[in-house]
Amino acid sequence: TQLLEQSPQFLSIQEGENLTVYCNSSSVFSSLQWYRQEPGEGPVLLVTVVTGGEVKKLKRLTFQFGDARKDSSLHITAAQTGDTGLYLCAGEEGAQKLVFGQGTRLTINP
Amino acid sequence: EAGVTQFPSHSVIEKGQTVTLRCDPISGHDNLYWYRRVMGKEIKFLLHFVKESKQDESGMPNNRFLAERTGGTYSTLKVQPAELEDSGVYFCASSPMFGQGSYNEQFFGPGTRLTVL
Repeated sequence: TQLLEQSPQFLSIQEGENLTVYCNSSSVFSSLQWYRQEPGEGPVLLVTVVTGGEVKKLKRLTFQFGDARKDSSLHITAAQTGDTGLYLCAGEEGAQKLVFGQGTRLTINP
Repeated sequence: EAGVTQFPSHSVIEKGQTVTLRCDPISGHDNLYWYRRVMGKEIKFLLHFVKESKQDESGMPNNRFLAERTGGTYSTLKVQPAELEDSGVYFCASSPMFGQGSYNEQFFGPGTRLTVL
């Protein structure tokens, strides 16, 4: 089973600041997905990146897939308190199961 | 459209007892997955059904875990007998069949929090 290292595990910043979360692996994934999870709920899909070098934007969130499809990043511009939550990256292994990173618990302070 | 539902939301049992978790996938989704998150660890894959058939059960921890999906609709995951290390949150996810060149977007349920005392 491939492994995904997600960093940082915890991040606390002030509202209005920018941040980047990283997801790295030594293995290639067929796609990589980013989820956000709220307490008591399951992960909710934010975006899927498939092609090496692909960049997708979701309002203030920018997702990038590495050229070699081994790593990905999530960049949030001008963070808001509503962005607080647990962010998870997950790589698709063999077009079947997902391999998850440990998650980044993000806190945006007013 | 209703999402993935799971029952119960919480279960507290004693070591040695049996517990059965249920998952109802999104209607029409042939793929159904079970995942588990134990305290402090990442979410890990348990198994994958395609309709009623087990496609991949490589993540099942041991033979105390039994998953079924009769009729290719809802699925159950039974733990018998439960051990302390089985405590965690069990997630179910589903996805539609996807063709070659496409990718697998999975939709997750809210999870069942299992506590074994």
